[in-house]
Amino acid sequence: EDKVVQSPLSLVVHEGDTVTLNCSYEVTNFRSLLWYKQEKKAPTFLFMLTSSGIEKKSGRLSSILDKKELFSILNITATQTGDSAVYLCAVSFGVSSNTGKLIFGQGTTLQVKP
Amino acid sequence: EAGVAQSPRYKIIEKRQSVAFWCNPISGHATLYWYQQILGQGPKLLIQFQNNGVVDDSQLPKDRFSAERLKGVDSTLKIQPAKLEDSAVYLCASSPGWGAGNTIYFGEGSWLTVV
Repeated sequence: EDKVVQSPLSLVVHEGDTVTLNCSYEVTNFRSLLWYKQEKKAPTFLFMLTSSGIEKKSGRLSSILDKKELFSILNITATQTGDSAVYLCAVSFGVSSNTGKLIFGQGTTLQVKP
Repeated sequence: EAGVAQSPRYKIIEKRQSVAFWCNPISGHATLYWYQQILGQGPKLLIQFQNNGVVDDSQLPKDRFSAERLKGVDSTLKIQPAKLEDSAVYLCASSPGWGAGNTIYFGEGSWLTVV
């Protein structure tokens, strides 16, 4: 069965801490892995990863993919209260250009305390 | 660029009633998705359209849920009759096509409460 598993499910830290969120997957014909941030509204896109070992960075956020071990991590350095959200990992996979699927993990709820 | 538009934003209905949600994707996006997100869980794909054809509806409860995208642009998701467990956010998303290089964009969601 195709699945995406995130850990931890929830995390509480203080401002300034660094956090690492994990996402592992088991799918057939992997295409890409995506990270989203969800506050009390729709998920907003953070990163898309397709190649192993190439770090993507945006400000204090960074992410990397390991296609051999089938996982990705999302790092947030110097956390701020505005980083409090649910972080969703999704994996796209499929056998042809028109019949792909995108499934999500359960999400990691991050709370950053002042 | 306008985003994915959904309506209504919020809906409260009694069980056994029906409800319909509407979605207008980003202009030019061929792929449209409906996801169900229950509180505390990740989004679950209900149905995926490529233009006006269904690509995947394997997780759509077809005895009560239906969706259409007749002209390959906007889409409607219907629930009839609703059950208590249908209370969730229904997210519509779109992408230009399908493949490793396509990012998926979400609408604000339609929040359904069944009482």
